[in-house]
Amino acid sequence: DAKTTQPNSMESNEEEPVHLPCNHSTISGTDYIHWYRQLPSQGPEYVIHGLTSNVNNRMASLAIAEDRKSSTLILHRATLRDAAVYYCIPGRGNMLTFGGGTRLMVKP
Amino acid sequence: GAGVSQSPRYKVAKRGQDVALRCDPISGHVSLFWYQQALGQGPEFLTYFQNEAQLDKSGLPSDRFFAERPEGSVSTLKIQRTQQEDSAVYLCASSRNHPGNTEAFFGQGTRLTVV
Repeated sequence: DAKTTQPNSMESNEEEPVHLPCNHSTISGTDYIHWYRQLPSQGPEYVIHGLTSNVNNRMASLAIAEDRKSSTLILHRATLRDAAVYYCIPGRGNMLTFGGGTRLMVKP
Repeated sequence: GAGVSQSPRYKVAKRGQDVALRCDPISGHVSLFWYQQALGQGPEFLTYFQNEAQLDKSGLPSDRFFAERPEGSVSTLKIQRTQQEDSAVYLCASSRNHPGNTEAFFGQGTRLTVV
């Protein structure tokens, strides 16, 4: 599985956009890039995934670098409910390999 | 519809006791996973089922851990002779088909404390 590097923590103000980076320089050509988040005392929750093209859904956008060695999860307007640990997970196998993730704190 | 349901939500076991943790996946989901999450860490893979077949159990930490899904729906994770290092949150997830390109749905987990 590809190794990932994410900031341990980030801070954002409510109502502002947030860009969460992830480096995955050893990603293979067939790996998807998945993002999950985990709110306090909850199980992880799917956010978005993509392969090569940028992706948008109701929760977020995913921007994937042309060489696929990095990606950025974009929350367009952070809310207090977005405070969570965000995990970037490259892979296509039978398991999700979670790293340490980025703890996002949202200030009112 | 209902999401992934796990029971019990909390379990306290005395060291040496056997425990059984239950997972009810979303109806019709083919793939089922178990993860272990220690305090302050990301979840770590334990095992994977496709229907009733256990296709990957490479993450089970010892032979005290055993998982089954006999009819391809409900799954049970059993831990024999629990040790303090088994204290963690055990998460179950299911997905509609092969998980490589689809989302997994997680339960809220069972918090196991071994005293």
